[in-house]
Amino acid sequence: EVQLVESGGGLVQSGGSLRLSCAASGFTFSDYWMHWVRQAPGKGPVWVSRINSDGSSTSYADSVKGRFTISRDNAKNTLYVQMSSLRVEDTAMYYCVRDSRYNPESWGRGTQVIVSS
Amino acid sequence: QSALTQPRSVSGSPGQSVTISCTGTSGDVGNYNYVSWYQQHPGKAPKFMIYDVSKRPSGVPDRFSGSKSGNTASLTISGLQAEDEADYYCCSYAGSYTWMFGGGTKLTVL
Repeated sequence: EVQLVESGGGLVQSGGSLRLSCAASGFTFSDYWMHWVRQAPGKGPVWVSRINSDGSSTSYADSVKGRFTISRDNAKNTLYVQMSSLRVEDTAMYYCVRDSRYNPESWGRGTQVIVSS
Repeated sequence: QSALTQPRSVSGSPGQSVTISCTGTSGDVGNYNYVSWYQQHPGKAPKFMIYDVSKRPSGVPDRFSGSKSGNTASLTISGLQAEDEADYYCCSYAGSYTWMFGGGTKLTVL
């Protein structure tokens, strides 16, 4: 069974940093592209970032470009996102998502990030 | 880029059918057959219900079906059941390995 377990969220002041992690199990992690998707309260999900299977290629939404860095450790079956210069509008539930042929197939339960002013 | 457009809410009685629309552009829904749908109950992670416009993952009841015409995709739920009450989101591949999501539709089973 595919399992994605996010961690690392919390309350941080505007301008601060956080590193989120996503532990993957139940599948061959190194075979899949992975993404971070966030969802603010009462809103639809928004794509944040993606990384290819070996970590050599990444892309970001314009809203986080230059502030967030996605990475992965295939030996540890773990996905990361380093978030810096956090803004109030970054407040959301952050989900780790497995990509299956251009579809966001499997989602974790999410980790909450709250950025206070 | 704006989110895909979904109705804010739909409702139906048990046993009836409802359809939720998802309107995008020629850059996402209209250009790719990678439209997916998700069911989300309060406080839970989204559940994958439909992919590639009309395919169902194993375990999803055949009461759920998807289709697409032009820039608009649709999710139809037939034989409504109380447990179908949830928020539903559409998603489309939008090129350059990115996804566009809808704003969500709240389904109420009357």
